[in-house]
Amino acid sequence: AQTVTQSQPEMSVQEAETVTLSCTYDTSESDYYLFWYKQPPSRQMILVIRQEAYKQQNATENRFSVNFQKAAKSFSLKISDSQLGDAAMYFCAYRSAQGGSEKLVFGKGTKLTVNP
Amino acid sequence: GAGVSQSPSNKVTEKGKDVELRCDPISGHTALYWYRQSLGQGLEFLIYFQGNSAPDKSGLPSDRFSAERTGGSVSTLTIQRTQQEDSAVYLCASSRGQLLSDTQYFGPGTRLTVL
Repeated sequence: AQTVTQSQPEMSVQEAETVTLSCTYDTSESDYYLFWYKQPPSRQMILVIRQEAYKQQNATENRFSVNFQKAAKSFSLKISDSQLGDAAMYFCAYRSAQGGSEKLVFGKGTKLTVNP
Repeated sequence: GAGVSQSPSNKVTEKGKDVELRCDPISGHTALYWYRQSLGQGLEFLIYFQGNSAPDKSGLPSDRFSAERTGGSVSTLTIQRTQQEDSAVYLCASSRGQLLSDTQYFGPGTRLTVL
């Protein structure tokens, strides 16, 4: 079974600075998808960014980018120019590319605080 | 259009009672998922629907938990004889269901408290 580990329960960053959230995963599959979701206090999970394992190029969405290291099974999220609205729980998630396994496997999450 | 909606937003019940949680997916989304978020266990998958059928029920923790989906749209998660350990936030998500890469869009969840 696949597992996802987020080793940082909490992180903090100063507004306008850059922060990196760590995620590692364990799988024997070669094809899969990785996601970062944000969960603000409203509880609504919002997709931040996603990466297909077959793509070598790291995904980027505005201020959010990932460092995907397939061999190391590492998928970190970098938030540049942090804003107060970035404060939330961040979850790393894995999804198999094999048919029938539609579920997301989540890490325990990292609580990000943004200090003004 | 509207996002995934869930009702009720909060539910408080007594141990031993049955509860029903509702999920209304994004219009046109054929895939629907239920997850549970609790302090001790994090986010756990419960069940996945494609249309009205459930190809993956592997996450349901006991036979007290069941779910159905009718008309390929609304889904109901039912917990019978609730226990205190059932207290959690129950999240529903939907996706187009066409590609494995399709994004899962989440609802705001139902917070269940079992006294």
